[in-house]
Amino acid sequence: GDSVTQMEGPVTLSEEAFLTINCTYTATGYPSLFWYVQYPGEGLQLLLKATKADDKGSNKGFEATYRKETTSFHLEKGSVQVSDSAVYFCALPFNSGGYQKVTFGTGTKLQVIP
Amino acid sequence: NAGVTQTPKFQVLKTGQSMTLQCAQDMNHEYMSWYRQDPGMGLRLIHYSVGAGITDQGEVPNGYNVSRSTTEDFPLRLLSAAPSQTSVYFCASKSTQARITEAFFGQGTRLTVV
Repeated sequence: GDSVTQMEGPVTLSEEAFLTINCTYTATGYPSLFWYVQYPGEGLQLLLKATKADDKGSNKGFEATYRKETTSFHLEKGSVQVSDSAVYFCALPFNSGGYQKVTFGTGTKLQVIP
Repeated sequence: NAGVTQTPKFQVLKTGQSMTLQCAQDMNHEYMSWYRQDPGMGLRLIHYSVGAGITDQGEVPNGYNVSRSTTEDFPLRLLSAAPSQTSVYFCASKSTQARITEAFFGQGTRLTVV
């Protein structure tokens, strides 16, 4: 079935370091892809999305490019801040039984230290 | 603009007790779902609903019941709590009117079963 696989965490970076969190997917067709972020003590919220191949989603300095040839949607940020410390989830919407559902990766915890 | 509201935020239960986690959304979303979040396992779908009167099981439904009598509310019932149900529970809702839509999450309920 449709699924996403993302890199294990936790990831610890110093402030202003470059961030990459890997996400690959398995799906039939050409799905949309999402990144969600979960700040401490909160629910998930959409960070960015891409709806077709070669699309680049971006928000709050984060970017992710939908690459069909490598079935990937890696999350990147050029210079992380302490406030970016959170858990990041790659997500894949898919259709099942006539309804749209979402499958999530296991989450990658990012800790940014000053 | 409340979005998705979950109550309570924290709960401690004794083994064998029952309780209901409440979820309400004010966005007129057709689709609502319950997830549990456990370390290293990401989000796992418990039950979902595509509209009032329609519910179905997700990946991990055992020990939980749901009902959807209105569009706004989607309570999750633990029939006889077990320590294995210690987790953080999230309710989410989304519209099904567009091809691809994001899910909106509540802030979560942290449940401990002793």
